[in-house]
Amino acid sequence: AQSVSQHNHHVILSEAASLELGCNYSYGGTVNLFWYVQYPGQHLQLLLKYFSGDPLVKGIKGFEAEFIKSKFSFNLRKPSVQWSDTAEYFCAVNARSNTGKLIFGQGTTLQVKP
Amino acid sequence: SQTIHQWPATLVQPVGSPLSLECTVEGTSNPNLYWYRQAAGRGLQLLFYSVGIGQISSEVPQNLSASRPQDRQFILSSKKLLLSDSGFYLCAWSVLLRDENTEAFFGQGTRLTVV
Repeated sequence: AQSVSQHNHHVILSEAASLELGCNYSYGGTVNLFWYVQYPGQHLQLLLKYFSGDPLVKGIKGFEAEFIKSKFSFNLRKPSVQWSDTAEYFCAVNARSNTGKLIFGQGTTLQVKP
Repeated sequence: SQTIHQWPATLVQPVGSPLSLECTVEGTSNPNLYWYRQAAGRGLQLLFYSVGIGQISSEVPQNLSASRPQDRQFILSSKKLLLSDSGFYLCAWSVLLRDENTEAFFGQGTRLTVV
């Protein structure tokens, strides 16, 4: 069965610090990879996605993620965080199929101090 | 453009009472539909998904059921709620494009408290 593991459950950073959130998945086949973000009081929205091609993908608001197939990882990065990045971040995976079922990690709460 | 409506936003129900949460999608046809439950520190757990009218797959054994009476309508139900059913429920949709699913798009969620 597929599973997704996010290494950091709660991260506290100061503004301008660099961010890296770890994500590893367990699945033997071809997958699509996603990072979702949930800002306080808002609905879950897509930050970035990887389907194929360049393993370094860029998303909204300066975020990027790198797919390393050999490590089954899809870590999220941002060079310089802002207070407005305070949110909960979810890594998710789906196996390539017609169902599109997403399997989510436990989530990482990011708190950015001004 | 596509939108997803989920209601109610919050709900407080007594133990043993029935439940019906509704989700509708606009602006797309034949979407895949999903119900997730979000619990603090546990991420989002897939409860049900549907690839077509009347087609429901359950991912985890539980006290809940789902139905898809129309192409763009997805309903989460229970005959008798348990305290453990409390949580934040999210409806989502995706579509197949060239044999590949798009990312999922989520509704605003329903905060259910069973008392």
